[in-house]
Amino acid sequence: GAVVSQHPSWVICKSGTSVKIECRSLDFQATTMFWYRQFPKQSLMLMATSNEGSKATYEQGVEKDKFLINHASLTLSTLTVTSAHPEDSSFYICSARDGASGPYNEQFFGPGTRLTVL
Amino acid sequence: RKEVEQDPGPFNVPEGATVAFNCTYSNSASQSFFWYRQDCRKEPKLLMSVYSSGNEDGRFTAQLNRASQYISLLIRDSKLSDSATYLCVVRYGGATNKLIFGTGTLLAVQP
Repeated sequence: GAVVSQHPSWVICKSGTSVKIECRSLDFQATTMFWYRQFPKQSLMLMATSNEGSKATYEQGVEKDKFLINHASLTLSTLTVTSAHPEDSSFYICSARDGASGPYNEQFFGPGTRLTVL
Repeated sequence: RKEVEQDPGPFNVPEGATVAFNCTYSNSASQSFFWYRQDCRKEPKLLMSVYSSGNEDGRFTAQLNRASQYISLLIRDSKLSDSATYLCVVRYGGATNKLIFGTGTLLAVQP
């Protein structure tokens, strides 16, 4: 299957700082990328859908000014957690869909980024 | 009510056992259905898609009942390596292509 990478794999930061997470599709062009968040013992929750060259679509309850998404190229999307607080500590996972294969093909998941805010 | 519901488990079974997981979904407009596997502190990985006619992949059998909005996964001859969380996933139709994840069922296969 296609490969999606995330960087960093884990990050620890102080409260109030901003953290940027990168999601890259390594061997395909991802017209759409998705950002999920997973708290311990809970399911993956979709935060936003990112389309290359346009604004991201955020799910209900997700603050777009706090979670900034940029999808400037077909292989890279970034999620910036601004002014992070301890309640933002979570496992952030991106997925990417190969646009060339049609709208209903598989999403490939990155390995996730574990964020801990002190 | 959650959009995708699963029994969280854990299911503790001996090696070689057969185990079944169930899942229900609330949105009748759901179009596609999947089982994913997630190991501890890792990303989810697609195990298999679920088709209306039922489908099998080796020791794994998935069933879908659209009328009851019910999905199942059967694992035969459990292996230690099957220990993981199994996520029931539903995709809505249309341009969004959104995946909705269940909370997962934890399986622990004992030697």
